[in-house]
Amino acid sequence: GAVVSQHPSRVICKSGTSVKIECRSLDFQATTMFWYRQFPKQSLMLMATSNEGSKATYEQGVEKDKFLINHASLTLSTLTVTSAHPEDSSFYICSARGDRGGAVSYNEQFFGPGTRLTVL
Amino acid sequence: GENVEQHPSTLSVQEGDSAVIKCTYSDSASNYFPWYKQELGKGPQLIIDIRSNVGEKKDQRIAVTLNKTAKHFSLHITETQPEDSAVYFCAASRGYSTLTFGKGTMLLVSP
Repeated sequence: GAVVSQHPSRVICKSGTSVKIECRSLDFQATTMFWYRQFPKQSLMLMATSNEGSKATYEQGVEKDKFLINHASLTLSTLTVTSAHPEDSSFYICSARGDRGGAVSYNEQFFGPGTRLTVL
Repeated sequence: GENVEQHPSTLSVQEGDSAVIKCTYSDSASNYFPWYKQELGKGPQLIIDIRSNVGEKKDQRIAVTLNKTAKHFSLHITETQPEDSAVYFCAASRGYSTLTFGKGTMLLVSP
């Protein structure tokens, strides 16, 4: 149980285009999803927290107009990188957390497999 | 806010040896401490976690200990195998707040 998927796993795009990454909780309802960014050989950097049906909360320094997050259902959150530039190239990872009455409890977060974004 | 320090940054052991990774945290109100294993090119995988009302938890070859007084917790892997080679992250949180991660430990198990 507690499986999270991400799509696509890898994407290469041209500078100036937009890219959408999907994060799905496959076997539980995720009231909260998190989006992280990870640079090579570094730890995870939290970008934003999204709760189903409400606006995402962005961490300091993360541009909300550039990284659009939508958490439209209890099993799906999307991250759209708008007008991508080479410096946006990174490994993007989502995680999902269920509510206390669901299959997962407390603050357990389950991560997706990640999406490697390369902007040319 | 919470600050998590993790040591060592790299750890090399021989197959069959034990490996220990240590983390300290700053917020005495933190009450949830998970450990994640991340293989190259993949997302982190939750391998074990401990809550503040427990001092130790074990799952086969993996164990975690928590010392609330000293504000540190450790991951212990016994009888290491080459497939244990990965980057391990500790994290801490208070209630339902966001997780604060350590910087990671690259574990290399040599056959």
